[in-house]
Amino acid sequence: DQQVKQNSPSLSVQEGRISILNCDYTNSMFDYFLWYKKYPAEGPTFLISISSIKDKNEDGRFTVFLNKSAKHLSLHIVPSQPGDSAVYFCAARGSGGSNYKLTFGKGTLLTVNP
Amino acid sequence: GAVVSQHPSWVICKSGTSVKIECRSLDFQATTMFWYRQFPKQSLMLMATSNEGSKATYEQGVEKDKFLINHASLTLSTLTVTSAHPEDSSFYICSAQKGNGNQPQHFGDGTRLSIL
Repeated sequence: DQQVKQNSPSLSVQEGRISILNCDYTNSMFDYFLWYKKYPAEGPTFLISISSIKDKNEDGRFTVFLNKSAKHLSLHIVPSQPGDSAVYFCAARGSGGSNYKLTFGKGTLLTVNP
Repeated sequence: GAVVSQHPSWVICKSGTSVKIECRSLDFQATTMFWYRQFPKQSLMLMATSNEGSKATYEQGVEKDKFLINHASLTLSTLTVTSAHPEDSSFYICSAQKGNGNQPQHFGDGTRLSIL
């Protein structure tokens, strides 16, 4: 059972436009959400995170929105740049003491065209 | 910063040999480190959680005698794939968490393991 879902395996966007990457989750115990960017043959790079007590977090060109009632989060990148082309993973973590395990989605391949 | 170094980045070896992969947090201490495995075009699957000074916690379906984890210090965890076989070929990635609470995991660059 996949608890974190990224239903779009790929997304193509024109340079300068907005990229919107979506993620849905099923486990209501998740309370901390993260987005990672990954290039081939490299480890994921942390981008931005959000706690369940917030509905928005912004860092430069990256903004993450959380809709708890819908169990949905999204990552907005604006303006998109060709260097943003990579696989983006959504991850979630539950509460519960020292349990810091992350559950990952399958990723969305973002291609930003010049 | 939060830099995690993983070594080696690429290994090819014969079936039956054991392979050790190192994961180091270079500029912070990590009480907890994690080991993941990624199959082509799939997500990262957590294999085990490694706690400094104690036994690792393995996920369901992961053989602890096959994948030996040692976390001897706050900056180093090792994963040893024992008696490796071709089906163990994969991309192995470690991560480390800088502190407790809502902190992100920071990942190494992974190790591509190919067993012939």
